[in-house]
Amino acid sequence: EVQLVESGGGLVQPGVSLRLSCAASGFTFSSYWMTWVRQAPGKGLEWVANINQDENEKYYVDSVKGRFTISRDNAKKSLYLQMNSLRAEDTAVYYCATSRGYYEYWGQGTLVSVSS
Amino acid sequence: EIVLTQSPGTLSLSPGERATLSCRASQSVSNSYLAWYQQKLGQAPRLLIYAASSRATGIPDRFSGSGSGTDFTLTISRLEPEDFAVYYCHQYGSSPRTFGPGTKVDIK
Repeated sequence: EVQLVESGGGLVQPGVSLRLSCAASGFTFSSYWMTWVRQAPGKGLEWVANINQDENEKYYVDSVKGRFTISRDNAKKSLYLQMNSLRAEDTAVYYCATSRGYYEYWGQGTLVSVSS
Repeated sequence: EIVLTQSPGTLSLSPGERATLSCRASQSVSNSYLAWYQQKLGQAPRLLIYAASSRATGIPDRFSGSGSGTDFTLTISRLEPEDFAVYYCHQYGSSPRTFGPGTKVDIK
């Protein structure tokens, strides 16, 4: 069974950093592109970043470029999102998902709240 | 950036009825790389349809997708109680990947 489990969310003040993790199991993690998608409270879905199998391709939505970094560790079957200089508008549930362009498998999400 | 518009915003129907959801793109979606997801309150999205018309694994055949270019449709042939949810379209043919704002299907 495919499982993706996010962790690392929490309540933080503006300007600080947070690192999200996504632990994968039940599939060959190293064979998949992976992605982060977020959803602000009561709002729709927004693609944040994706990464290819060997980390040499990474893409970001404009609003997080220069602040967020996506990475992965295939040996640990884990995906990461390093989020720096957090803003109130980054408040959302962050989901990791497998990517074949479309997002087939999703985690349950981790909530990031940015507030003073 | 491709902007996706979904209509209607809310669809009020009864179980057993047919639901037709629309997704319109601001420019042509390359290779019909258009997906549909279902999201229930408090849950992660679930992939229903990819490549405009291919059903994902385990998705009942009452769900079908169609369309190409800029106009796409998700049809639920006969609504079951578990189908009342929010539905999002998503284009992955060009960057940045974008989602529509969603259509809520609720019980009439």
